[in-house]
Amino acid sequence: DIQLTQSPSSLSAFVGDRVTITCRASQSISRFLNWYQKKPGKAPKLLIYAASSLQSGVPSRFSGSGSGTDFTLTISSLQPEDFATYYCQQSDSTPRTFGQGTRVEIK
Amino acid sequence: EVQLVESGGGLVQPGGSLRLSCAASGFTFSSSWMHWVRQVPGKGLVWVSRIDKDGTITDYADSVKGRFTISRDNAKNTVYLQMNSLRAEDSAVYYCARDNYDFWIPFFDLWGRGTLITVSS
Repeated sequence: DIQLTQSPSSLSAFVGDRVTITCRASQSISRFLNWYQKKPGKAPKLLIYAASSLQSGVPSRFSGSGSGTDFTLTISSLQPEDFATYYCQQSDSTPRTFGQGTRVEIK
Repeated sequence: EVQLVESGGGLVQPGGSLRLSCAASGFTFSSSWMHWVRQVPGKGLVWVSRIDKDGTITDYADSVKGRFTISRDNAKNTVYLQMNSLRAEDSAVYYCARDNYDFWIPFFDLWGRGTLITVSS
């Protein structure tokens, strides 16, 4: 199975800050990497697919980059509604593993 | 409205069984692969199972293989997860999700709100 390691596990930032979350795969997955946002009691929400494509309706402050084994999710200007946990997921092979999550807190 | 709605959750004793349902609406259900993903409260997302458009191809996480069975009824726009021999560690919120593709890369673009399973005596 492909393992995904996210860093950091949690972070605290001010509104307006630039936030970067990284995801490293245990083997090359080309661009088969997606990012989701999860809030308590809510369904997960797709933010970025295929490493860098912005899902329709998602604010442009979210962006993704990377290929192979190293990927990044960036929030260019953190907003209060961005308080959530963020997960990367690989779709290169089954099982479709997720990273352990990065919890983003607003200072 | 395009949506997925899970049902069937609840409290069950260890060793018991439960069947989850996920009703789809607002899109062509029979054209979509479907998945189940679970989350223990306070923990991360874990992929559980998937089924192809016709119900002929299924896959499972090792932790549920031989105990869980995924199926679908395209006439009813519903995917199911039959869970047998339940264990305490199966306690979680279970989400169904739709598989979609772009650039031949799959992703889960539609999720239900989940249904909670508690396995306890």
